[in-house]
Amino acid sequence: DSGVTQTPKHLITATGQRVTLRCSPRSGDLSVYWYQQSLDQGLQFLIQYYNGEERAKGNILERFSAQQFPDLHSELNLSSLELGDSALYFCASSVSQGAYAASGEQYFGPGTRLTVT
Amino acid sequence: KNQVEQSPQSLIILEGKNCTLQCNYTVSPFSNLRWYKQDTGRGPVSLTIMTFSENTKSNGRYTATLDADTKQSSLHITASQLSDSASYICVVSLGGATNKLIFGTGTLLAVQP
Repeated sequence: DSGVTQTPKHLITATGQRVTLRCSPRSGDLSVYWYQQSLDQGLQFLIQYYNGEERAKGNILERFSAQQFPDLHSELNLSSLELGDSALYFCASSVSQGAYAASGEQYFGPGTRLTVT
Repeated sequence: KNQVEQSPQSLIILEGKNCTLQCNYTVSPFSNLRWYKQDTGRGPVSLTIMTFSENTKSNGRYTATLDADTKQSSLHITASQLSDSASYICVVSLGGATNKLIFGTGTLLAVQP
């Protein structure tokens, strides 16, 4: 158990809908990262927040947005969903304030499996 | 272009056997290289992190090597167990101001009894 929690575990929704994925980082970690992993694809970095502020941005679509709250939990909002958005969405956390946690350890949550029908 | 390539794409071995997974990268400037294990449908778990000055690092039955000159890394698994069945992902960190992580697509390992 990494200490990172994600809810829900599974989510099934229809095209055009909007969903919110939630992540709670490990105790003491200020950075939260969101990744997308499509079937047979590698992990794609979406966005990083550090202590409530956006720290780094990756291949995140304009239809997607995220935020980190004062209690450090983070939410990833996906809107106008398309079939191609079906994927595993992972949250990771680290103590590192540097962008992408390039110099430190990241701890991944169990993921949320999103299915868009 | 900064890339991380892993081989083989998939591998099947018998329980108890050893195996070696490869990772070649064209990332510059280099900061560190990580190996993750990802069980199906679960989040990746870190196995090792190596900086430029380290050429080998072990974590139990897992041993990673790094040759920064040839930009190659390998992950050697000794005396494989059924629980080693997973995807193994190589991740290289860009140094300098960019500080970006470049992910490989992974090697899918299946250990059979």
